Amino acid sequence: AQKVTQAQTEISVVEKEDVTLDCVYETRDTTYYLFWYKQPPSGELVFLIRRNSFDEQNEISGRYSWNFQKSTSSFNFTITASQVVDSAVYFCALSEGSRDDKIIFGKGTRLHILP
Amino acid sequence: KAGVTQTPRYLIKTRGQQVTLSCSPISGHRSVSWYQQTPGQGLQFLFEYFSETQRNKGNFPGRFSGRQFSNSRSEMNVSTLELGDSALYLCASSPGTLEGYEQYFGPGTRLTVT
Repeated sequence: AQKVTQAQTEISVVEKEDVTLDCVYETRDTTYYLFWYKQPPSGELVFLIRRNSFDEQNEISGRYSWNFQKSTSSFNFTITASQVVDSAVYFCALSEGSRDDKIIFGKGTRLHILP
Repeated sequence: KAGVTQTPRYLIKTRGQQVTLSCSPISGHRSVSWYQQTPGQGLQFLFEYFSETQRNKGNFPGRFSGRQFSNSRSEMNVSTLELGDSALYLCASSPGTLEGYEQYFGPGTRLTVT
């Protein structure tokens, strides 16, 4: 069965520090997709990234970067030079098979960026 | 391009009643997925509709049902409400094809059952 574990329930860092959010997943499928979402206090989920299981290249988007390692079943998310606006709950998620329409979410990591 | 809209935004119902929530996807998107978010269980997938057909379903009782109309708008219905159904219900819209997947979420409907 598929499962997503975000061991860090809550993290606080001072602005401008780098922070890494951990995500470990379990799946029996060889084809799957991994996601990260951001949920700011307003409640709306914001899509950040989708990565398929055959693409292990790391991704960088501005201050955000993602490290996908199949060997350790991890898909970690790093925010460089954090800002107060990055404060939110971040969810890692997984969907199996060739269609990623049923997503299993981790419990989320609440990130506090302190000014 | 207009985003995903959900109505109503807030709702208070009594145990035993039924409720219908609505989701209007982004124009051109054919897939609508529904999720329930509670403090205890987190985010859980309810079901997904694509071109008026349910393509996938999560592990929820039959009291939870949905449908999708020809214009891709979707409704979710919960019958015989229980206190545990109090949650934020989110819908997500996407093209629904392998070429275009990114899901866009609406602001949610916060349902309180008393």
